[in-house]
Amino acid sequence: GIQVEQSPPDLILQEGANSTLRCNFSDSVNNLQWFHQNPWGQLINLFYIPSGTKQNGRLSATTVATERYSLLYISSSQTTDSGVYFCAVFLLQGAQKLVFGQGTRLTINP
Amino acid sequence: DTEVTQTPKHLVMGMTNKKSLKCEQHMGHRAMYWYKQKAKKPPELMFVYSYEKLSINESVPSRFSPECPNSSLLNLHLHALQPEDSALYLCASSQGRHNYGYTFGSGTRLTVV
Repeated sequence: GIQVEQSPPDLILQEGANSTLRCNFSDSVNNLQWFHQNPWGQLINLFYIPSGTKQNGRLSATTVATERYSLLYISSSQTTDSGVYFCAVFLLQGAQKLVFGQGTRLTINP
Repeated sequence: DTEVTQTPKHLVMGMTNKKSLKCEQHMGHRAMYWYKQKAKKPPELMFVYSYEKLSINESVPSRFSPECPNSSLLNLHLHALQPEDSALYLCASSQGRHNYGYTFGSGTRLTVV
């Protein structure tokens, strides 16, 4: 089946720093989404980004579908950005389900 | 209304108990999902309902029984669970085939004793 790999697995930064999270996937997909899971377990959909670039405030994401990777940028980090960031892909063929990467655990220290 | 509401938020049950988890959405989404998440792991898909019909069962043990009474509601009936079934159970919904607008509920944290 498809492999979804995220890096780095863990990232610890000071407030105000910038970061880049990466997601590589092994097969063609027709949907890629980035989620943030806060420390209380709530999963928030950040971006629906099968290709191209999107921005939402301090966050932006870029997906290069032909090269099978996506990047999530976080600028001027705040402590509320802490949590786990998941990349998830929806396959072009086969079972209609979302496949998650293992996540990047981000800790922003004050 | 852009929420998926799950109840209860926390549940402790014995191995001989029968309980149900409930999920509700009013966004007009036609696909609904149950996921199980263990600590420090990504969510794992359990079931998918599309237009109120079960379309995917990821080989989930029969002690978990899903039900979709209508397009807004999704239940997960639990019976004779094991301690290893303790986890965060997440419900989600989306606009259908390409799961645009994928939205998760806040989850039910289940402990089996």
